[in-house]
Amino acid sequence: KAGVTQTPRYLIKTRGQQVTLSCSPISGHRSVSWYQQTPGQGLQFLFEYFSETQRNKGNFPGRFSGRQFSNSRSEMNVSTLELGDSALYLCASKGQGMNTEAFFGQGTRLTVV
Amino acid sequence: KQEVTQIPAALSVPEGENLVLNCSFTDSAIYNLQWFRQDPGKGLTSLLLIQSSQREQTSGRLNASLDKSSGRSTLYIAASQPGDSATYLCAVRNNNAGNMLTFGGGTRLMVKP
Repeated sequence: KAGVTQTPRYLIKTRGQQVTLSCSPISGHRSVSWYQQTPGQGLQFLFEYFSETQRNKGNFPGRFSGRQFSNSRSEMNVSTLELGDSALYLCASKGQGMNTEAFFGQGTRLTVV
Repeated sequence: KQEVTQIPAALSVPEGENLVLNCSFTDSAIYNLQWFRQDPGKGLTSLLLIQSSQREQTSGRLNASLDKSSGRSTLYIAASQPGDSATYLCAVRNNNAGNMLTFGGGTRLMVKP
């Protein structure tokens, strides 16, 4: 069974540009969550999508957005990049049931210069 | 607002030692708590999920305990090996928060041969 796949693995962007990251969850999982990991703030929740609907959102500015497609694949978009957006972006996939595990992808390392 | 703390932030032990990692959380209204391992620059690997109704969960050399009323969990690693060197993260899933996980800052473990 394939795991969670995130693409691309690495990205270098310039301030002011926008970026789109992709996450393919484990087959059959309908919940996809996104997290930002930085050395200073640790892992912080961005948002969760379930069956194409945003179900929960963290405390991030509106420059961070996402969507989910009918095949459960999800994308997150960051517009008008800032240096502080440099981070490891992780996505988590989860199956049905309250007490099932969340599985994470390898992440996308975004560097803003 | 849920806050998760992990102590110590870093730990260095000789190979073969048994060790305990600590995780505390402020809001006891949780569905479950999950322990993860993260190797440098990589994604998160799920180690154990312990449900709010459980006291402990075991997988190989790992044993996680949960005391929900006091807001504490421990991860016990028996007979540590150099391959156990990584950062260990605990995360809680709160009631009424969808699948959002709130993470601690992690414990960076080094096991010396």
